[in-house]
Amino acid sequence: DQQVKQNSPSLSVQEGRISILNCDYTNSMFDYFLWYKKYPAEGPTFLISISSIKDKNEDGRFTVFLNKSAKHLSLHIVPSQPGDSAVYFCAASGVRGAQKLVFGQGTRLTINP
Amino acid sequence: EPEVTQTPSHQVTQMGQEVILRCVPISNHLYFYWYRQILGQKVEFLVSFYNNEISEKSEIFDDQFSVERPDGSNFTLKIRSTKLEDSAMYFCASSTGPNYGYTFGSGTRLTVV
Repeated sequence: DQQVKQNSPSLSVQEGRISILNCDYTNSMFDYFLWYKKYPAEGPTFLISISSIKDKNEDGRFTVFLNKSAKHLSLHIVPSQPGDSAVYFCAASGVRGAQKLVFGQGTRLTINP
Repeated sequence: EPEVTQTPSHQVTQMGQEVILRCVPISNHLYFYWYRQILGQKVEFLVSFYNNEISEKSEIFDDQFSVERPDGSNFTLKIRSTKLEDSAMYFCASSTGPNYGYTFGSGTRLTVV
């Protein structure tokens, strides 16, 4: 079951530059998408979300873009900071009112000083 | 900031034994969830709970699993007869409503030997 895919297991970015994390999905019934950040030995922390009726949502340094026709979303972090080093999970939720989240495999982001 | 609290942080149990994983969700949240992450794999949905009953469960959540909200504050996951493949991080989460960013706990690492 690969309904949500993050094809890059890892990404390394210089401090101050833009980090772009990508996520693809296959189920066209998904209508809500979320990004979570996870540090070792901690639970996932909610970062930002986007509804399928939008194509962009911005919160401080974090922006999520949704391309419904391509079934693709991305998370942009700018500028990247050392504290952003973590595993980032993309997640999707189904028909409005459904509660289950389907997660991608995660991308480990490393910010280099 | 309100937290979801999980205990214990690490539990080792013998195969075939029963385990109970405990969670205290955020007090004004109404939706409760269990997820798990097997080492190196994606975070997987187990079950959601609302209004004192299961609202959705995955195929992983078979008859060996059960959830309970015994006293209005705790939310527990019971595995009746543990198997080696139940070894994973188990995350509890809660939210004010479906499709909101959940708050996850820090997880319980279950090791079945």
